[in-house]
Order: sequence, then C-alpha cells, then structure tokens
Amino acid sequence: GAVVSQHPSRVICKSGTSVKIECRSLDFQATTMFWYRQFPKQSLMLMATSNEGSKATYEQGVEKDKFLINHASLTLSTLTVTSAHPEDSSFYICSAPNRGGYTFGSGTRLTVV
Amino acid sequence: GQQLNQSPQSMFIQEGEDVSMNCTSSSIFNTWLWYKQEPGEGPVLLIALYKAGELTSNGRLTAQFGITRKDSFLNISASIPSDVGIYFCAGQLSGTASKLTFGTGTRLQVML
Repeated sequence: GAVVSQHPSRVICKSGTSVKIECRSLDFQATTMFWYRQFPKQSLMLMATSNEGSKATYEQGVEKDKFLINHASLTLSTLTVTSAHPEDSSFYICSAPNRGGYTFGSGTRLTVV
Repeated sequence: GQQLNQSPQSMFIQEGEDVSMNCTSSSIFNTWLWYKQEPGEGPVLLIALYKAGELTSNGRLTAQFGITRKDSFLNISASIPSDVGIYFCAGQLSGTASKLTFGTGTRLQVML
C-alpha cells in the first residue's frame, strides 16, 4: 500500500533555531500534503495544505512565516518550524491523499528547549 | 478550526466487553472515517463510510454513517488488550483530496 515516510521521528532543538521535517511519498505521487499538529491528549489540527508547485494554504491562526512549507516535487513536502519556541513543542504529522484514501506519516515529536 | 465531538472522551473496559463510541457534527460530511492512533505514531485507518445510512464491518469493528450525515458510531466487539489506543473519527466534505476534520478522540483502555 501507499507509504509516507516522515523524518525525523524525534527532534530536540534550542529556542530560536529552525527545524525541518520531511515527508516523502514512497510509492505514489503526492500532489497534495496535509500538515497537522497534535498537542498532548488532543486531536489532530490541520495547519496547512501544500500542493506541488504552488503556495501552501494555511489554516486560520497559523503563521505562514513561522511554518514554512515547501512542496517542490511530487514525492517530497517539507515543513520548517522557524525560530522555534517551547510553545511549538508538539507532534507534527503529515498526510497525503491517494487512491486508497489518506496515508499518514509516522509523526515527528518536536521538543523545543 | 472545527472539530467533531466524540464521546465518550475515555473509557476503561474489561477484556471481552463490547465498546461503542460516537461522533457528532453540526455540519454535514460526505465521508466519515474512523482511525486508531497509538502513542508516538500516525493514525491508521480502520473503516471508511461513504453513504448515509451505510453500515460497514472490518473484523470486530462495525461503523455506521448516520442518516443525517452529521454523525457516526464505531463499535468494537469482544475487546482485546491490543485495542488500547485513541480512536478518532474524521469527516470529509467532498473529493479525494479534500481536507479531513478530526474528532476530539476517544481513549480506550482495556483491563485484563
């Protein structure tokens, strides 16, 4: 079945630094990638939708300059958390629609210290 | 953003018991999906429902798409320890590439 590989699975970074999260579709072309954030014991909240070759669409309240999304190819979408702060610590998950439905990455646990 | 309301929020059950959880929305969805998420992982699809009134089974799991298109339930029969996890419903408006709206989640814990 369709697989989305997400890396890194865990990252700890210092306040003020930037972190890049990658999601690759391994056996299908992902023209669209959804990026979610999940705080502990909460649901998945959609942050943004990226489309290959065009600008991402951000949900209300999500700062586009802070969460940079790049979807330059049909198999790779990246989310960069810029100038990270402790409140950005969360579980970030990507998801790509495909013929079988939606395939989710395994998530990235970001801890900002 | 919008969330779907799930109940119960959490439940402890005995192994072997049946479990029921539901999901309600103030707006209509054209597709309902049920996912299970284990700690530190992404959600895994359990059941997809595409038509109002549809009742679908997947092993010990049964889910129904409410006739009003504003709700869905998931039943798990004869629960086992590996059923532990968080169950999320998700609604989709239309189209295979449209975004999902997730429910608030039901945390299931099974007592031996």
